[in-house]
Amino acid sequence: GAVVSQHPSWVICKSGTSVKIECRSLDFQATTMFWYRQFPKQSLMLMATSNEGSKATYEQGVEKDKFLINHASLTLSTLTVTSAHPEDSSFYICSARPGQVATEAFFGQGTRLTVV
Amino acid sequence: AQSVTQLDSQVPVFEEAPVELRCNYSSSVSVYLFWYVQYPNQGLQLLLKYLSGSTLVKGINGFEAEFNKSQTSFHLRKPSVHISDTAEYFCAVTYKAAGNKLTFGGGTRVLVKP
Repeated sequence: GAVVSQHPSWVICKSGTSVKIECRSLDFQATTMFWYRQFPKQSLMLMATSNEGSKATYEQGVEKDKFLINHASLTLSTLTVTSAHPEDSSFYICSARPGQVATEAFFGQGTRLTVV
Repeated sequence: AQSVTQLDSQVPVFEEAPVELRCNYSSSVSVYLFWYVQYPNQGLQLLLKYLSGSTLVKGINGFEAEFNKSQTSFHLRKPSVHISDTAEYFCAVTYKAAGNKLTFGGGTRVLVKP
């Protein structure tokens, strides 16, 4: 099956700093990538949809200046949490979909972000 | 708005017993349905999916699910669970009218007891 690699798997940062999370599709080209946030014992909340070469589409309530998404190539999307605060601590998961009409998305292994 | 409801937040079950996880979605003409499993601190792994055709779908690890259009349900079943099936299970739906974005249910935590 298709593989999506997310890096790092966990990160601890200080308040006020920025953290970048990478999501790579290893064996397919992903025209669309999705970023999710998951709070403990809760479901996945879609944060934004990114399409290669264009601006990401953010879900309502998600601060685009806080969560910067870049999808510069067909195999890489990055999520940067800027000026992180403890309330940004969460589990972030990306997924990638090959093609516009593909019916399945493949998920990365997630990144545990802890802001201290 | 589209929604997915998993009726049970937790399901305790004894090893080798059957399990059923319930999932209902808001009605729509065109949907794709998925079940994912998540182990602690990991991403999601696809168990099975319904795109079209036979309403009974078989997936990995002995899981199967049945699409019921009239009841807008997609319940997941396994006839005999193992300790290793302890995990969080998510039902997800793609509504074609919503740009093919996945909408997730709240998740069901399955705890298999020896």
